[in-house]
Amino acid sequence: DTGVSQDPRHKITKRGQNVTFRCDPISEHNRLYWYRQTLGQGPEFLTYFQNEAQLEKSRLLSDRFSAERPKGSFSTLEIQRTEQGDSAMYLCASSRTGQPQHFGDGTRLSIL
Amino acid sequence: AQSVTQLDSHVSVSEGTPVLLRCNYSSSYSPSLFWYVQHPNKGLQLLLKYTSAATLVKGINGFEAEFKKSETSFHLTKPSAHMSDAAEYFCVVSGNTGNQFYFGTGTSLTVIP
Repeated sequence: DTGVSQDPRHKITKRGQNVTFRCDPISEHNRLYWYRQTLGQGPEFLTYFQNEAQLEKSRLLSDRFSAERPKGSFSTLEIQRTEQGDSAMYLCASSRTGQPQHFGDGTRLSIL
Repeated sequence: AQSVTQLDSHVSVSEGTPVLLRCNYSSSYSPSLFWYVQHPNKGLQLLLKYTSAATLVKGINGFEAEFKKSETSFHLTKPSAHMSDAAEYFCVVSGNTGNQFYFGTGTSLTVIP
């Protein structure tokens, strides 16, 4: 069990640029989740995959956000045309069905 | 709809004294409940979970929580605080499909030497 890995740990970009984050879940975990956490708040659910299928999406996930998990293993979260309000910590978690989630250390996004 | 309220945004205790972090939940069904801890610039680590078995749940690092349906509460306790317990703590309730999870706003625990 090597844990959930997220890359990069930090991303600084100018407003309007596109960014992509990667998450490598614990192997054999069929479920993968993305959350957004802003300062002083708890994580907010963005989306969830079971294997390669994206089964649920939050209303927080605007059309500038897209997530994929093409082979049911790693996942990417892309934000297009970034805005100031996108600055946050983006957390990935994985689990087996019915089991608690294991979280990565997150990617901190800063929009200049 | 599901929601979680953490009643204290900050709790400060002396080392060696008991810890109480309070959580109330709202749910239209029997939820699963969790407590997670987050150290600075780190992801969240599961402390314990309640999934409709025993109402008193023991977790890691000496923490435990009691599910009280009549009070819709799931408070986290520890008999004796350690300096390493200083962190942010989140109470979490599952959604009705078991696929979404709702986090409280967190309680910051400070441990005074």
